[in-house]
Amino acid sequence: GQQVMQIPQYQHVQEGEDFTTYCNSSTTLSNIQWYKQRPGGHPVFLIQLVKSGEVKKQKRLTFQFGEAKKNSSLHITATQTTDVGTYFCAGVSTSGTYKYIFGTGTRLKVLA
Amino acid sequence: DAGVIQSPRHEVTEMGQEVTLRCKPISGHDYLFWYRQTMMRGLELLIYFNNNVPIDDSGMPEDRFSAKMPNASFSTLKIQPSEPRDSAVYFCASSPRLAGETQYFGPGTRLLVL
Repeated sequence: GQQVMQIPQYQHVQEGEDFTTYCNSSTTLSNIQWYKQRPGGHPVFLIQLVKSGEVKKQKRLTFQFGEAKKNSSLHITATQTTDVGTYFCAGVSTSGTYKYIFGTGTRLKVLA
Repeated sequence: DAGVIQSPRHEVTEMGQEVTLRCKPISGHDYLFWYRQTMMRGLELLIYFNNNVPIDDSGMPEDRFSAKMPNASFSTLKIQPSEPRDSAVYFCASSPRLAGETQYFGPGTRLLVL
C-alpha cells in the first residue's frame, strides 16, 4: 500500500538555527498538505501544495512540492521556541483510495 | 464556530469493557474522519464518512472496532471489547471536501485500557 515517510524522525536545534524535514511518498501524489502538532495537542493545518514544483512561503516557513510529485519539504528559517512540535505531511495518491495518508512525522525540539 | 468537538477527552477503562468515543463535526462539513495516534504506528486513518455514509473502513483494526454516523452532526467510534493495545489518542476530523480542503481535527480522546 501507499507509504509516506518523513526524515528525520527527530531534530534538536538551537534557537535561531534552520530546520528542514523531508517527506517521501511511495506513489505519485495529487496534492500534499502539511500539519503541525504541538505536544499534547492535535494536528493543525499549515498549507497545501498542488502543482509540480510548487513553492509556498508562510513567514519563516517554506514549503516545496517535488517535480515528480512524490516528495515535499518544509524548511523553517531561524527557528523559535514556538516552532516546537511534530510536523506531518499528508498526501493523496493519484491511484487507489482517495484519502489522505499521513507521514511518520518529524519531531522538532528547539533549545533556547 | 466551536470546531470539532470530541468526548470524552480522557478515558481510562479495564480490558474487556466497551468504550464509546463521540464526535461532533463542524457544521456543514460533508466528510468525517476517525484517526488513531500511537508512538509506534503514528497517525492512522481508521474510517471516513461522506454525508453520513462510511466510504472506506480499511483502516479499522478488527471487528472489535465499529463506527457509526447516524446524522450529519454526530459520530461514534466503539471498541468492544477493549484491549490494552487499543490505548492511544483517537482523533476525529472533518472536512468540507475530501481533497483540496483542510482537515480540521478535534482535541482528541486519550484512551488508556488497563
